[in-house]
Amino acid sequence: GAGVSQSPSNKVTEKGKDVELRCDPISGHTALYWYRQRLGQGLEFLIYFQGNSAPDKSGLPSDRFSAERTGESVSTLTIQRTQQEDSAVYLCASSLERTSIPQESQYFGPGTRLTVL
Amino acid sequence: RKEVEQDPGPFNVPEGATVAFNCTYSNSASQSFFWYRQDCRKEPKLLMSVYSSGNEDGRFTAQLNRASQYISLLIRDSKLSDSATYLCVVKGGSQGNLIFGKGTKLSVKP
Repeated sequence: GAGVSQSPSNKVTEKGKDVELRCDPISGHTALYWYRQRLGQGLEFLIYFQGNSAPDKSGLPSDRFSAERTGESVSTLTIQRTQQEDSAVYLCASSLERTSIPQESQYFGPGTRLTVL
Repeated sequence: RKEVEQDPGPFNVPEGATVAFNCTYSNSASQSFFWYRQDCRKEPKLLMSVYSSGNEDGRFTAQLNRASQYISLLIRDSKLSDSATYLCVVKGGSQGNLIFGKGTKLSVKP
């Protein structure tokens, strides 16, 4: 079956503009995650969805970042008034459930490479 | 102390070598453990889960030491295609969020 898809694959924007990143998880996966990875760095957790709810927003770096999920499927990550330090690869992952299956792992999309000029 | 710590490397080894990576985690309530692999400019992909009794998948062996809170990955007979960054991942506590280490870079040379 299809894996996690993300769009766009690359996005170049000017400082101060808003951007919207999209994630389509694997069908049937109830949990969805957003991560950020700066060049040469590890994964930085941003936000987690269980269904359409976001019980864990602890990783969002500022109020310029927001995310939503609809229909227990597609999710969008929005960054308002982008700054140069927002430049990174934004990765989305999905899994069946968060806690009930101990060995359930996450499946990642190819990411969106965001460059803020 | 960082939640998941790994030696960043790089580990530069010749083809055919055996190489081992270690990882330590801080949350003793962690429930599940994984190794992911990330190729340059690609997304992470699950390599293998780590079970309490240790487990093997071909040339790869993973072990868990709960008392010392560390996880290891052993790669035997290294191939050029094993060159990648290996991420130690811990699923912790009641929330079950995955915590990623920063990764260990492996470079296998001919």
